[in-house]
Amino acid sequence: GENVEQHPSTLSVQEGDSAVIKCTYSDSASNYFPWYKQELGKRPQLIIDIRSNVGEKKDQRIAVTLNKTAKHFSLHITETQPEDSAVYFCAALAGGTSYGKLTFGQGTILTVHP
Amino acid sequence: SQTIHQWPATLVQPVGSPLSLECTVEGTSNPNLYWYRQAAGRGLQLLFYSVGIGQISSEVPQNLSASRPQDRQFILSSKKLLLSDSGFYLCAWSVKGSFTGELFFGEGSRLTVL
Repeated sequence: GENVEQHPSTLSVQEGDSAVIKCTYSDSASNYFPWYKQELGKRPQLIIDIRSNVGEKKDQRIAVTLNKTAKHFSLHITETQPEDSAVYFCAALAGGTSYGKLTFGQGTILTVHP
Repeated sequence: SQTIHQWPATLVQPVGSPLSLECTVEGTSNPNLYWYRQAAGRGLQLLFYSVGIGQISSEVPQNLSASRPQDRQFILSSKKLLLSDSGFYLCAWSVKGSFTGELFFGEGSRLTVL
């Protein structure tokens, strides 16, 4: 089955700096890679995703890049703000599935210091 | 609009006692339903998913079971809880058919087994 590794487990940055979280996956057939943000005590929510037919996607201050050859994808947050502090999860969806059987990474605790 | 509710929000149970967590989805029909567990400091692990009434697939061997008695109702149960069952349980749904990419999570249920 799919295996997703996420690094770092914790990340501390100053407000205004950039933050990068990286994930690797094992199943070359995986074709969809979402990122979820979970604030303390709340439910995870989708913030951005990318499909295997593109290499990069941006949405304001966040972007995701995908390297299919190397089987890794990354989340980039620019101009970080204290409200970006949360746990971020990457995930991968194996190819050929028609339901959300996502394999999640272990999560990254991002702390943005004012 | 679609909403998902799960309850109870918190639960403290002794070892060996039974468990029942309930989840309902409103505003959509025939969704795919999921139970995920989030152990402390760990990522999200898929426990069960269901593509229809009475159809349950288990992802990992465990002390838990799931049932879907109605289209938009998903129940997580145990006959005898173990200490290792402690964690944050999340119900989720996705649109039926080809996976569009987003899992919609409930508020979560925090279970502590003593």
